[in-house]
Amino acid sequence: QQQLQESGPGLVKPSETLSLTCNVSGGSIISNNYYWGWVRQPPGKGLEWIGSIYHSGTSHSNPSLKSRVTMLIDASKNHFFLRLSSVTAADTAVYYCARATGATSGFPDALDVWGHGTTVTVSS
Amino acid sequence: DIQMTQSPSSLSASVGDRVTITCRSSQSITRYLNWYQHKVGKAPKLLIYGASGLQSGVPSRFSGSGSGTDFTLSISSLQPEDFATYYCQQSYDTPLTFGGGTKVEI
Repeated sequence: QQQLQESGPGLVKPSETLSLTCNVSGGSIISNNYYWGWVRQPPGKGLEWIGSIYHSGTSHSNPSLKSRVTMLIDASKNHFFLRLSSVTAADTAVYYCARATGATSGFPDALDVWGHGTTVTVSS
Repeated sequence: DIQMTQSPSSLSASVGDRVTITCRSSQSITRYLNWYQHKVGKAPKLLIYGASGLQSGVPSRFSGSGSGTDFTLSISSLQPEDFATYYCQQSYDTPLTFGGGTKVEI
């Protein structure tokens, strides 16, 4: 059973870049079956999909964030990364990394394995 | 973007009750509908995929139905560990979108 674990700074200053890492254990990130991605939950609000990336580098991301989002995979370390630029207080949230099925269809589908989440606060 | 609307936003129920949560999409998503359970401080958990597929390890008291634009999640006999917030999510098109959540309280 694969497990995911997020890591990164808990505090980011406005206008800076938020950088998070997700470590994948219990199996290779180079899988033909899965996308790897990110979901966030602002305080008191619901879940928002940020984006998902396949090990080939093909990615899908939320247009509401697309110009600020970069997702990368480091297969040698079984990690994947999120970078969100020009952050504001509205980016304060719990950030989850999650595995998505659906790679064989070319689009992320159900999010079947999740990390426990990491809280990121944007504040000066 | 496909909008997902859940109802109710919250409900109160007792152990042993049958609970039904509704999710409606702004356009047809055929059966590309997934359900999650989320407890405070924990990772969301996939319950149902493809509208009615029971995820491995999920108790059989959970079931999903529907197609097109209207879907339901049912819990046949509510257990103490089921008190949580439930979200639907469409995977018919990107961006993946979630409903606003239904909080199930005692």
